[in-house]
Amino acid sequence: DTGVSQDPRHKITKRGQNVTFRCDPISEHNRLYWYRQTLGQGPEFLTYFQNEAQLEKSRLLSDRFSAERPKGSFSTLEIQRTEQGDSAMYLCASSLSLGAGGGNEKLFFGSGTQLSVL
Amino acid sequence: AQTVTQSQPEMSVQEAETVTLSCTYDTSESDYYLFWYKQPPSRQMILVIRQEAYKQQNATENRFSVNFQKAAKSFSLKISDSQLGDAAMYFCAYRKTGTASKLTFGTGTRLQVTL
Repeated sequence: DTGVSQDPRHKITKRGQNVTFRCDPISEHNRLYWYRQTLGQGPEFLTYFQNEAQLEKSRLLSDRFSAERPKGSFSTLEIQRTEQGDSAMYLCASSLSLGAGGGNEKLFFGSGTQLSVL
Repeated sequence: AQTVTQSQPEMSVQEAETVTLSCTYDTSESDYYLFWYKQPPSRQMILVIRQEAYKQQNATENRFSVNFQKAAKSFSLKISDSQLGDAAMYFCAYRKTGTASKLTFGTGTRLQVTL
């Protein structure tokens, strides 16, 4: 068990460019979450997948953001036409959920991708 | 909407001493979960302790314990016998029961541990 892996660890881009981040969850985990953490704040929920289905998206996730989890394993988060306000750390987490309510669900987080938009 | 408030941006404790981090929250729900997460410089969020709102007994995990006051909507974390490795950002978080782990986090408390 290697934990949740995120790549890259850091990304610097120019405003207007597209960026893509990857998250590899713990192998047997069926749920995968994306959170965003800006400086001085706690993480904010963006979206989550159950297997390959994207079940919920926060209103924070604008049209420029898209997330996929094509085979129910790794996930990608793409930001198109980046803006300076997108600068943040993007955290991925995974869990094994055995019920719809997720009562005993425990999240395992990755170390995040730090995005800087110049 | 649920909100989580951590009013202590920074706290300091001497090694081997005890420190309490505060957290208040606002919700209209009666059933929910509360969490304390630790975020060291490695950036990885680590679950410290969890409390189910329907349980009156306060959760404990080794040196970590909580004081859960449901009526006051208060959820503080006590760290006993503080160690240098406890130095980190600590986040309080809330989740409504019956939902996926869409956590609402506070703004965090930075804990320094001194010799």
